[in-house]
Amino acid sequence: GENVEQHPSTLSVQEGDSAVIKCTYSDSASNYFPWYKQELGKGPQLIIDIRSNVGEKKDQRIAVTLNKTAKHFSLHITETQPEDSAVYFCAAHITGNQFYFGTGTSLTVIP
Amino acid sequence: DAGITQSPRHKVTETGTPVTLRCHQTENHRYMYWYRQDPGHGLRLIHYSYGVKDTDKGEVSDGYSVSRSKTEDFLLTLESATSSQTSVYFCATSHHGGSSNYGYTFGSGTRLTVV
Repeated sequence: GENVEQHPSTLSVQEGDSAVIKCTYSDSASNYFPWYKQELGKGPQLIIDIRSNVGEKKDQRIAVTLNKTAKHFSLHITETQPEDSAVYFCAAHITGNQFYFGTGTSLTVIP
Repeated sequence: DAGITQSPRHKVTETGTPVTLRCHQTENHRYMYWYRQDPGHGLRLIHYSYGVKDTDKGEVSDGYSVSRSKTEDFLLTLESATSSQTSVYFCATSHHGGSSNYGYTFGSGTRLTVV
């Protein structure tokens, strides 16, 4: 099956700086890549996603990039704020199959 | 996740006892999923359902069973709990399932401790 690797496992940034989380996948048939944010004591929440026919997608301070050739995709958060502190998960999906999740990145934004 | 309710939120149980976790949704989503979340492993699929009485296994299904008698309810049962099943369990729903690329809606989770 698909294998998704996520790095780094922990990340600390100063408020206002940017944060980047990277994921790689193994199956070239994967065609949908969502990102989830999980706050303490809550379930993961979809924050942005990208499909394989698009190279980049932005939504205010967050953006996702996809490099199909290299089989990697990244989450970029600009102008970080304390409320961005959470665990972030990437996932890869093949149409008709299940989602495969990365192991998560714990992001801490230091005020 | 207001449309998905998991119960109980926390449970401590003894090894060898049966445990049932409940997921209730008001989204009218056809597809429902049970995941477990463990440090270093992310989220792993246990079982899923693509309709009433239609279920299938995920990648870590051993020791678990599920039932779905109504669209809104998806039950996860540990027939004889073991310490390796100590985990946080998440229910998720999807309107489109695996046939289309849409993300899940997750519940708030159940923290299960097997002692």
